[in-house]
Amino acid sequence: GEDVEQSLFLSVREGDSSVINCTYTDSSSTYLYWYKQEPGAGLQLLTYIFSNMDMKQDQRLTVLLNKKDKHLSLRIADTQTGDSAIYFCAESPSGTYKYIFGTGTRLKVLA
Amino acid sequence: ETGVTQTPRHLVMGMTNKKSLKCEQHLGHNAMYWYKQSAKKPLELMFVYSLEERVENNSVPSRFSPECPNSSHLFLHLHTLQPEDSALYLCASSPRTGGEQYFGPGTRLTVT
Repeated sequence: GEDVEQSLFLSVREGDSSVINCTYTDSSSTYLYWYKQEPGAGLQLLTYIFSNMDMKQDQRLTVLLNKKDKHLSLRIADTQTGDSAIYFCAESPSGTYKYIFGTGTRLKVLA
Repeated sequence: ETGVTQTPRHLVMGMTNKKSLKCEQHLGHNAMYWYKQSAKKPLELMFVYSLEERVENNSVPSRFSPECPNSSHLFLHLHTLQPEDSALYLCASSPRTGGEQYFGPGTRLTVT
């Protein structure tokens, strides 16, 4: 079956890089997304990548995809206290209406 | 207004009440979604609408009834809810089904 897994917590110091990891299971072509959720808010789309890509960079965010291991990571450079939030990985197999979300990784940035 | 808006932001209702949640998107998107977010559980996709037609219903109890009168508006009608239905209900839209989603702020529902 389809499943998206993430570690539950990550703690980093301000100014360091954060790396949030995710594994997915769908074997067909798929879109992979990263969302951020702050307390009391909805999910904010950060970036996304198609499964035929290896990497995508957008300002402080870098997404790396290891297709062989079905492993996706989100790297946040120069992490700030405002980056403290829950980060969700999600996949949507191409040509379907399905979206499968992970349980989210709570990132805590220490000043 | 820009993006995706939801009203009300908070709702407390008894098990015998009937209420509706409203979602509006100002992005010109063709697809809209309802999700349920409960503590310590993955986000659950409830309903998917594409061009006002329901295309996905993920085994949601009939006490939840969606309505999509046009591509900008989505409703979730609630009746005879249970305490376990208490959750954050999120609406999202996307340019097409399967595309990147843009979420509203959610309605925090408490069933007493």
